Amino acid sequence: QQPVQSPQAVILREGEDAVINCSSSKALYSVHWYRQKHGEAPVFLMILLKGGEQKGHEKISASFNEKKQQSSLYLTASQLSYSGTYFCGTELGGGSNYKLTFGKGTLLTVNP
Amino acid sequence: DTAVSQTPKYLVTQMGNDKSIKCEQNLGHDTMYWYKQDSKKFLKIMFSYNNKELIINETVPNRFSPKSPDKAHLNLHINSLELGDSAVYFCASSQGTPYGYTFGSGTRLTVV
Repeated sequence: QQPVQSPQAVILREGEDAVINCSSSKALYSVHWYRQKHGEAPVFLMILLKGGEQKGHEKISASFNEKKQQSSLYLTASQLSYSGTYFCGTELGGGSNYKLTFGKGTLLTVNP
Repeated sequence: DTAVSQTPKYLVTQMGNDKSIKCEQNLGHDTMYWYKQDSKKFLKIMFSYNNKELIINETVPNRFSPKSPDKAHLNLHINSLELGDSAVYFCASSQGTPYGYTFGSGTRLTVV
């Protein structure tokens, strides 16, 4: 079942913060986050596992609330390079039999 | 060195034709995937192969036939192309959780 992302789109000025949410109606094993720039391939940002810790690098971090089956991606002090479509992907299990199902994406635009 | 490479990058063809897309990864990953991204940017899994063996086959028309001659290659052959097949097709590979997917640059298929 497809995870639900919100918001669908967000517009920021450089230096502002944003939060993108991803929720599932099913118990999750992992949540992935990807960023896709226009005309390019999705690029892996990070993965959060059931029972794992909050992840992050530089100014982009994420959390996973197992009780609510929700994940949030935090972008702080946004830069122009953060613009793109952000996708969360969810797995119900950890083996190769489990597929990564993506949400519909959140279009993030960072303006100067 | 390109990690996941797809050819061709663009494909324009007439309805009813048969076409193939090739994918190769040099990351040593065991699992490879085909995803379809439609005009609304929705990424949907089509097939998954683990070490040359078909693992996931979503509800894809029989006109689509994947082939994996070895674990580094996954090709997609499409018969009797239809207008609705127009999309960007992404190949991806993974070494499994807790690692993310690495996507190829995509093949934009346009059926006229």
